[in-house]
Formats: sequence, C-alpha cells, structure tokens
Amino acid sequence: DAGVTQSPTHLIKTRGQQVTLRCSPKSGHDTVSWYQQALGQGPQFIFQYYEEEERQRGNFPDRFSGHQFPNYSSELNVNALLLGDSALYLCASSPLGQARETQYFGPGTRLLVL
Amino acid sequence: GDSVTQMEGPVTLSEEAFLTINCTYTATGYPSLFWYVQYPGEGLQLLLKATKADDKGSNKGFEATYRKETTSFHLEKGSVQVSDSAVYFCALNAGKSTFGDGTTLTVKP
Repeated sequence: DAGVTQSPTHLIKTRGQQVTLRCSPKSGHDTVSWYQQALGQGPQFIFQYYEEEERQRGNFPDRFSGHQFPNYSSELNVNALLLGDSALYLCASSPLGQARETQYFGPGTRLLVL
Repeated sequence: GDSVTQMEGPVTLSEEAFLTINCTYTATGYPSLFWYVQYPGEGLQLLLKATKADDKGSNKGFEATYRKETTSFHLEKGSVQVSDSAVYFCALNAGKSTFGDGTTLTVKP
C-alpha cells in the first residue's frame, strides 16, 4: 500500500518565478492538506482540498493556490516566489469525512528560492 | 484560534534516561491530539494519538495522556535509546492540524 508521495523532492527557483508541487494521497484517502515548514519550525497549514474544492485555508496570501484532481491527487502552486518561501512543503492525506482523524504525511518537497 | 505550545529544546539525555516533553494546547471544541516524529531530512511520522479526554496513546515505548482539565498531552518514555534522537512535534487536529514548534531530542550513548 503506497503512502503519500510527493514530487519533486528538491527544487531550486529564483525570486519572482512560479513553482508547482505535486502530491498523491494514500490509497483510500481523498482529503489532501498542504503545509509549509520553515527551518526550525513546526508545519503551518496552507489549505485543504476535498471533492476538488478548497475547504479550509490558513493565513497564506493568494500567491499560494492549489488544485485537486478527480483521482484525489493535488497540486500546490506558488506565484511570484519570495526568498521567504524557501521551506519544506508537506502534503498530508486523510479519509473522507474524518477531518479529525490522523493525517498521513509525505516526505515533502524542499524548495529553495534564490 | 487553535495553538500548541511545546517545551523548548533542545533536550539532551543519556541512553536509558527518562524522557518528558511537555505540550499544552488551546482549542475550541474537542480536538484529537497527536505526537509526530521527524528524522533529519524526512517528513513527519505519526508516533501516537488520542482522540478524547483521558485516552492514552502509546507506541514504541512512548506514551501520552489526553488531559482535558489541564489541556495537556505530555510525551513520556521510560528509557530512551540513541535511535530516538529526532525532532518531536505535538499537534492537534480539529479539521486542520496545528503544530507546536518542535522539540529536538539528542540521546547520547
């Protein structure tokens, strides 16, 4: 049973560029959440998707957007990259209708903005 | 809003010592509580969880009890090993997860 997978594992971009990160949820899960983890800090909630719609959003600007596909996989897009966007981006999945249930995390995508 | 406060680290212990990492939370409603562990260069792994008051989560010798009266979920282990060296995160989930800042544990032989 495959767990949560994310791609790419590492990425280097320059300021002002745009980036797309991808996530495939654990089998049987259809809710996907994205988190940003800056160095030395805990993960911060960006947003959550299920049924192909954004359901909840954390305190992140509109430069951060997402999408969920019919197969439940998801993308995180960040426009107009800033140096401060450098972080580990984590995707987590959970079962439908069980919002308080355990979230399973992928290995993350490490983004460096120069 | 929801928040989680963890004991500040880093924590350095000798092998076989007793471990406690404190965690308190603020939340509306009745969240589920979690401890995650993160090894260098990796994502988060679930260590244990508790979904209601007085529940005790346990795994790999680690334990934590959901204390609603003190809004706490302290992590304990009776005898740590070198392989337990990692960053530990306390989190609550009331629809979305809120994490503490993490506590770095180093266990020396």
